[in-house]
Amino acid sequence: QSALTQPASVSGSPGQSITISCTGTSSDVGRYNYVSWYQQHPGKAPKLMIYDVSNRPSGVSNRFSGSKSGNTASLTVSGLQAEDEADYYCSSYTSSSTRVFGGGTKLTVL
Amino acid sequence: QVQLVESGGGVVQPGRSLRLSCAASGFTFSSDGLHWVRQAPGKGLEWVAVISYDGSSKYYADSVKGRFTISRDNSKNTLFLQMNSLISEDTAVYYCAKDGFTSMDVWGQGTTVTVSS
Repeated sequence: QSALTQPASVSGSPGQSITISCTGTSSDVGRYNYVSWYQQHPGKAPKLMIYDVSNRPSGVSNRFSGSKSGNTASLTVSGLQAEDEADYYCSSYTSSSTRVFGGGTKLTVL
Repeated sequence: QVQLVESGGGVVQPGRSLRLSCAASGFTFSSDGLHWVRQAPGKGLEWVAVISYDGSSKYYADSVKGRFTISRDNSKNTLFLQMNSLISEDTAVYYCAKDGFTSMDVWGQGTTVTVSS
């Protein structure tokens, strides 16, 4: 049950786009299209932003999008806004029927 | 609206036990799986356990297997986490989350557990 690999930090200016990667293995990210992404502001509970690789729950801005290629999933945030500054975590279903999270990425809006 | 409210956190000595609860409302509790996820101070999210809608299937992270037990009472719309043989590494905010089949679509606000002598 090793954690998925995410960059520790990414940054971008308002209006720009950023992409956060999430690398797993053939037992999790690479095997299933069950990757989800969560946004967490300081002191708050996580919020689901993307599920099943690329689907957005109702109410989530279409500036957030997801994709996957092989063992790596990605979250793209376009048209960066100050409110997007937060920690982002990916998660995947695994072949053991468990779940695994990435280590988290701190997004800074410059 | 869908709501999850955790309780039962506190300060506990190493080796002792603690039971967390998660009260649910706003959805058909007996139809959905539920997760526990924790976050150590200043660290990332760690998945802990999941239970199926009827309690028949349970899965655990290796770090808690054999020490923690997830359970539910569908008559009381409540999820539990029995934590035994606690160690300092179990210190964290514990969140319950509703299972959206392939994601965790609703989260509670968390309850804090501190393991310290």
